[in-house]
Amino acid sequence: AQSVAQPEDQVNVAEGNPLTVKCTYSVSGNPYLFWYVQYPNRGLQFLLKYITGDNLVKGSYGFEAEFNKSQTSFHLKKPSALVSDSALYFCAVRDGGYNKLIFGAGTRLAVHP
Amino acid sequence: GAGVSQSPSNKVTEKGKDVELRCDPISGHTALYWYRQSLGQGLEFLIYFQGNSAPDKSGLPSDRFSAERTGGSVSTLTIQRTQQEDSAVYLCASSLGAGRVNNEQFFGPGTRLTVL
Repeated sequence: AQSVAQPEDQVNVAEGNPLTVKCTYSVSGNPYLFWYVQYPNRGLQFLLKYITGDNLVKGSYGFEAEFNKSQTSFHLKKPSALVSDSALYFCAVRDGGYNKLIFGAGTRLAVHP
Repeated sequence: GAGVSQSPSNKVTEKGKDVELRCDPISGHTALYWYRQSLGQGLEFLIYFQGNSAPDKSGLPSDRFSAERTGGSVSTLTIQRTQQEDSAVYLCASSLGAGRVNNEQFFGPGTRLTVL
């Protein structure tokens, strides 16, 4: 069965510093990986996806993610964090032919001024 | 353009009552998904629709849960005889179609269900 793991419940970073939110996956076949962000009392917003091609994927709001097949990882990154980036981040993998998503437990990002 | 909308935004009900949650997907999106977000279980898949049919109901937690979709658009998730463990945020998502592997899902704001 497909699965993703987000090993950190919370990540704290100072504004202006680079941030990384970790995700590892376990899939059979080719992985189709996604990052979503959830702001308080809001639904999930799509950030970026990896389907095929370049290992470095660029997405919304200056975020990017690096697909690493050997380490089965898909870490989310941003060169310079903003306070407004504080939110709950979910990594997800496509499961099966119907494209349903299997989500990680989520990582809460707190960016401090 | 309108995104995915859900109603009601909040629902408080008494244990044992039935509830209906509604989802309006993005126009033209043939695939529709229901997920549940709860403190103990995280985000979990419930059911998938392609058009009006539901080829994947594997995530429905019990036979108290059912869903339908009419006209290839609006979907209703019904929970009968609600229990306190049903309390969660129910999220709906839509996408262009499951046949294309690279289609991202667009999520609605969710319905927060509280069962007293």
